[in-house]
Amino acid sequence: DIQMTQSPSTLSASVGDRVTITCRASQNLNNWLAWYQHKPGKAPKLLVYKVSTLETGVPSRFSGSGSGTEFTLTITCLQPDDFATYYCQQYNSYSEYTFGQGTSVEVK
Amino acid sequence: EVQLEESGGGLVQPGESLRLSCVGTGFSFSDYWMTWVRQAPGRGLEWVANIKQDGSEKFYADSVRGRFTISRDNARNTLYLQLDYVRGDDTAIFFCARGRLGDLPLWGQGTLVTVSS
Repeated sequence: DIQMTQSPSTLSASVGDRVTITCRASQNLNNWLAWYQHKPGKAPKLLVYKVSTLETGVPSRFSGSGSGTEFTLTITCLQPDDFATYYCQQYNSYSEYTFGQGTSVEVK
Repeated sequence: EVQLEESGGGLVQPGESLRLSCVGTGFSFSDYWMTWVRQAPGRGLEWVANIKQDGSEKFYADSVRGRFTISRDNARNTLYLQLDYVRGDDTAIFFCARGRLGDLPLWGQGTLVTVSS
């Protein structure tokens, strides 16, 4: 089984801040890594797939990077609508997906 | 409009069964892998199960294998999740999602399952 370790679990930030979230995998993901934004009562929203490809319609202040087992999601110039919980997801095989534990981005 | 809509959630007693449905509209349902994901109260997202386009391959999380069954009816554009022998820790919002290469660009709004006596 592939384990995903996401950090931090909570992040306090202000509008305009640069925010970085990290996800570490227990084995090489071959770049099959996605990031989602989730707000209460809503459907999760895909932000980035294949490590660094921005989903259509996602603002360019979101970016993904990394390789192998270590990945980051960066939000430059945090906006009010960005306060939410963020998850990484590995999809190295259809037989098993894994989400990270989540990072709650809160108002400082 | 391209969308997914879940239904079938509700209150169920421990040990009993429930079937969730997810209808896809606005796209060719039979072209896609489909996935169930759940979120327990106060917890994160948890992958539950995947099913291939023609239903020939199915995969489950260890926590539900042997109790839950994923299936699909492409003629009805509908994905199912049969929940048997439910437990208290199955209480969650269940989401269906459409896959691409394993990433999940389209999600439903979710249906709440509450397991309680």
